Amino acid sequence: DSGVTQTPKHLITATGQRVTLRCSPRSGDLSVYWYQQSLDQGLQFLIQYYNGEERAKGNILERFSAQQFPDLHSELNLSSLELGDSALYFCASSPRDNAFYGYTFGSGTRLTVV
Amino acid sequence: GESVGLHLPTLSVQEGDNSIINCAYSNSASDYFIWYKQESGKGPQFIIDIRSNMDKRQGQRVTVLLNKTVKHLSLQIAATQPGDSAVYFCAEKRYNQGGKLIFGQGTELSVKP
Repeated sequence: DSGVTQTPKHLITATGQRVTLRCSPRSGDLSVYWYQQSLDQGLQFLIQYYNGEERAKGNILERFSAQQFPDLHSELNLSSLELGDSALYFCASSPRDNAFYGYTFGSGTRLTVV
Repeated sequence: GESVGLHLPTLSVQEGDNSIINCAYSNSASDYFIWYKQESGKGPQFIIDIRSNMDKRQGQRVTVLLNKTVKHLSLQIAATQPGDSAVYFCAEKRYNQGGKLIFGQGTELSVKP
């Protein structure tokens, strides 16, 4: 157990729908990062939050949004889902950003859009 | 564009042999590098890291080498075991981009018994 908790582990939904992925960071970590991993693809950075504030954005679609709450858990919202959104979505956390810390990853949410 | 690339998509080694996984990065301003291991169905797991002021760092059975001149990173695994079979990613941290990690495409390591 890495200490980063992601729910649900699996999600199957239809095109056009909206889903919410949840992440609880490791205790004490203030930064949360979201990554998307498609089949045969590497890890694509989506967005980062630090202590409730958006800190960096990657290749995140406008249909996707995220937030980090006062208790530091984070949610990634995916709307108007398309077949191509099927992927593994990982959350990672670190104590701070802009420091020499690796990220601790959760076990991911596997999203299947049918 | 920003990228951290891997030279080989797959690597097959015999159990007990040493493995070397290579990675090239593009931003000379990057100052922190990490190797991750990802087993099937799991999230990436931290293996070893290195700062740009170092050339070499050793862990248990793993060594990371950094050559800043040619912007090259390598992961050496000694006495490779079947449990080492996984996809290995190098990642690069660029502080001028909010500290986010940029990952390479990954190398799949297969260990033959």
